[in-house]
Amino acid sequence: SAVISQKPSRDICQRGTSLTIQCQVDSQVTMMFWYRQQPGQSLTLIATANQGSEATYESGFVIDKFPISRPNLTFSTLTVSNMSPEDSSIYLCSVVTNTEAFFGQGTRLTVV
Amino acid sequence: QQQVKQSPQSLIVQKGGISIINCAYENTAFDYFPWYQQFPGKGPALLIAIRPDVSEKKEGRFTISFNKSAKQFSLHIMDSQPGDSATYFCAASGISNTGKLIFGQGTTLQVKP
Repeated sequence: SAVISQKPSRDICQRGTSLTIQCQVDSQVTMMFWYRQQPGQSLTLIATANQGSEATYESGFVIDKFPISRPNLTFSTLTVSNMSPEDSSIYLCSVVTNTEAFFGQGTRLTVV
Repeated sequence: QQQVKQSPQSLIVQKGGISIINCAYENTAFDYFPWYQQFPGKGPALLIAIRPDVSEKKEGRFTISFNKSAKQFSLHIMDSQPGDSATYFCAASGISNTGKLIFGQGTTLQVKP
């Protein structure tokens, strides 16, 4: 398995501001994934982050709203930009090791 | 075609009973089917996963049954315990990218003492 650490674990932000979420993995991985879990809902993939290249976004998600960085094989950030209350969700980082997918504890974001 | 449909939405089981959660998929390119357990305030934890080359996989009290022809798979929790009370998600992904998971809607399980 993999140990995935996310920071912050939770935050309350004002609308119109931005929040950057960090994800650190205890081993080198080729791809890292960012998911969103809206309140009481299932998980939806936002984007795939590869080291050294642009992130690949899923339908309904755009780089201007969710810019992603992947500076090395153990770290990635997701920024939620120009936030609105509809962005209130849990944001989760995920990696694949030994063909299995693992998740961090998530960042619970509340936008007021 | 990318959907994974999960049922039931909620489930109440007595301690010691069997909990059964079902999922169905459409995309025949899916070949990795994990189940995740999520407690409130926590991230999803991988419980057990199966690939289409086997029809059943068992780990402790947890068993996945897989029916490739019907495009269905299910999670069975034997001897359910109150500590199993959580939300369970099935998911699926394709051979080319295990990390790009399509999740079911989730099942909230309550095991009564």
